[in-house]
Amino acid sequence: DTGVSQDPRHKITKRGQNVTFRCDPISEHNRLYWYRQTLGQGPEFLTYFQNEAQLEKSRLLSDRFSAERPKGSFSTLEIQRTEQGDSAMYLCASSLIDTQYFGPGTRLTVL
Amino acid sequence: EDQVTQSPEALRLQEGESSSLNCSYTVSGLRGLFWYRQDPGKGPEFLFTLYSAGEEKEKERLKATLTKKESFLHITAPKPEDSATYLCAVCYNNNDMRFGAGTRLTVKP
Repeated sequence: DTGVSQDPRHKITKRGQNVTFRCDPISEHNRLYWYRQTLGQGPEFLTYFQNEAQLEKSRLLSDRFSAERPKGSFSTLEIQRTEQGDSAMYLCASSLIDTQYFGPGTRLTVL
Repeated sequence: EDQVTQSPEALRLQEGESSSLNCSYTVSGLRGLFWYRQDPGKGPEFLFTLYSAGEEKEKERLKATLTKKESFLHITAPKPEDSATYLCAVCYNNNDMRFGAGTRLTVKP
């Protein structure tokens, strides 16, 4: 399968714990995006990488959130001191030029 | 304010009953408009990219069109397997991307 993959698919954690999600983009894609989606809403942009450089971050990305893309390949999104409001689907997408292709998402539930 | 609005929020059709979904946008510097299909619990699946007013794209029972202010996704003779949420997104300025809230389509046999 050569699509975007995300791991884990589901994560349940207790409030205050840290969580980390991984995204593996389509191999030849140099751009990688993270989004958050809550029920009944469209995806909301969080951050964007071109190769290993993080070029843009949304104001939604508080200081508890951090993303990395070492060597311009896979990316990780870490949420520290999780809150119940962080419960959502976290989506990763990659692109070569403009059309973004999405992974299956990681569903986070914070108890 | 930059906005993307989709209507209706939900649409129920009988199998074979054609209809259209709307996506209106108010952004400056449109670089492209995208349509995605999303099934429950899954990531969005790419359908179409439109770049300029007057452009049309087709795939099976779906046809997407674009004007300067809105896009339509026409569904001809839908089948139950077309049931999903259809998302519209616009790319503008320097690669900013904004999604609408989606239209939840249900096609009854």
